[in-house]
Parts: sequence; C-alpha cells; structure tokens
Amino acid sequence: NAGVTQTPKFRILKIGQSMTLQCTQDMNHNYMYWYRQDPGMGLKLIYYSVGAGITDKGEVPNGYNVSRSTTEDFPLRLELAAPSQTSVYFCASSRLYGQQETQYFGPGTRLLVL
Amino acid sequence: QKEVEQDPGPLSVPEGAIVSLNCTYSNSAFQYFMWYRQYSRKGPELLMYTYSSGNKEDGRFTAQVDKSSKYISLFIRDSQPSDSATYLCAANAGNMLTFGGGTRLMVKP
Repeated sequence: NAGVTQTPKFRILKIGQSMTLQCTQDMNHNYMYWYRQDPGMGLKLIYYSVGAGITDKGEVPNGYNVSRSTTEDFPLRLELAAPSQTSVYFCASSRLYGQQETQYFGPGTRLLVL
Repeated sequence: QKEVEQDPGPLSVPEGAIVSLNCTYSNSAFQYFMWYRQYSRKGPELLMYTYSSGNKEDGRFTAQVDKSSKYISLFIRDSQPSDSATYLCAANAGNMLTFGGGTRLMVKP
C-alpha cells in the first residue's frame, strides 16, 4: 500500500516554463488537496477536489491549475513558472472532509524556479 | 497577522526532557485543532487532534486547547531523539485547515 505518491521529487524550472506535478493515491479517497510549503510559513492550500470531475480553489490558487479525471490522480499544473512559485509542494488525500478527518500527505516535490 | 502562529525554534532539549510546543490563534471560529509531525524532507503526518477546549492524551503526547486564551499546546514526555522533527499545529473551521509555520524540535542523546 503506497499511500500518496508524488513525482518528481525535485525539479528546476526556468522562468516562463510550465510543468505538471503528479499525485496519485491508492486509498480510494474521495478528497484530495494540493499545498505549498514555504520556509516558516506553514502549509497553504492551493486547490482541492471532492471527487472526480470536481475541483475548487484554496487560499493561493493563482498561477496553478488542476484537474481530477479519476479518483486516484490529482495533477497540479504550473503555467508560466515564476520565482515566487519556488516552494515544496505536497499532495494530500482524505477519506471524508470532516473537520477531524486525517489528511495523508505525500513526500513532496521540491521546485526551484530560476 | 497570521491566523495561527508558532515560534519557529529551533528548540533543543536533552533526551528524556518534557517538551512543550505552543501555538496561538486569532480566529474564534476554529473548533478542531491538530498537531502534525514532519520529519526532514517528508510530508506531515497527523499526531493528534482535539475538539474545542480540553486535554487529550496519547502515549507520551498530550494535546491541550484553551479556547479562552486561544492557545494550543503539545506536550511530549520522555522525549527521544526520534522525536526530532518539525511540529505543525493546525486549526479547522469549515472547509480548510489553517497551519502554523511549524516549530523545529531537536532532541539530543
């Protein structure tokens, strides 16, 4: 049981390039999330999804796009990368969206935009 | 002002010490409070959650919430080197978790 997996582990992008961060979970969870973590700033929610075909914006969605065509996959797309998008990106999933529901996190993708 | 604030540390303690990690928050609507542990270069994992004010104990860990002062604490008894990590507090009101910036803890053998 792999849980939440993310690829790539690390990537360097040039300003203006685009890329897709991949996230897959094998726990059959309906809810999936993308966060970014900047040093000392905690985790900020970028986008989330309540099921296949349904996504919604979080706190910091600008510059990102998501899609959810299957229960398992929730890719995050960066268009026109900017230095401000240098961060560590975490994908998470949960069975329900209850307030106490555990979110399971992937190992993260470190992105450097130069 | 951040909604959830934590001292970033690092907090360095000797093995066996009692550790106190703290957060303050500003949003009175928060009802669920959580502590996540994050090892270096890993994703966060949920340690404990509590609802409203009060204490919750799980082995060496005790989570405490004081809603009157908007203060959240995590106590670790008999701390071990394996407890060395960043501890993130989080609070929930409605649909989103709001995280603090994390406190880095180092437990020295």
